[in-house]
Amino acid sequence: NAGVTQTPKFQVLKTGQSMTLQCAQDMNHEYMSWYRQDPGMGLRLIHYSVGAGITDQGEVPNGYNVSRSTTEDFPLRLLSAAPSQTSVYFCASSYTTGTGYSPLHFGNGTRLTVT
Amino acid sequence: DQQVKQNSPSLSVQEGRISILNCDYTNSMFDYFLWYKKYPAEGPTFLISISSIKDKNEDGRFTVFLNKSAKHLSLHIVPSQPGDSAVYFCAAFNAGGTSYGKLTFGQGTILTVHP
Repeated sequence: NAGVTQTPKFQVLKTGQSMTLQCAQDMNHEYMSWYRQDPGMGLRLIHYSVGAGITDQGEVPNGYNVSRSTTEDFPLRLLSAAPSQTSVYFCASSYTTGTGYSPLHFGNGTRLTVT
Repeated sequence: DQQVKQNSPSLSVQEGRISILNCDYTNSMFDYFLWYKKYPAEGPTFLISISSIKDKNEDGRFTVFLNKSAKHLSLHIVPSQPGDSAVYFCAAFNAGGTSYGKLTFGQGTILTVHP
């Protein structure tokens, strides 16, 4: 059981380049999300999805696009990379439940540097 | 505006002693709180949670206390072990709203447990 898998682990981009960070989960989780971690800021929500075909913005969505065509995959696209997007990106997933709460399962992150 | 704050960037304790990590929040709509633990080069992993209908939740060596009137929660680790050395994130969200899974994280506290 792989859980949440993120690729690549590391990436260096030049300003203006585009790329896609991949995220896949094999737990049949409905909910998936992307966070970025910056020093002194904790983790901040970029985009999230409550199921295939449904996405919504989080706290810091500007400069990022997402889509959810399957339950398993939730890629994050940087259309035109900027140095401010240098960060560690985490993908997470969980069950959606009518009662209680199902904690997020995180991938191991992608460290992105934009020069 | 940081709605969840961990004001201590770091904490150092001796093995066998108690570790107390603190977290404050400002959003009175938050009614579910979690602690995540993060090792270097890994994603955060869920540790323990508490609903606002409780003031304490225990799981082995880990206990979370919630003081709603003070908007404060704390994580107690007793006894502390060197393997507990990690970054600890406090997180919160409004379980009763439409913000399922949209966790708001604190900045994190680096815990070091010395043998």
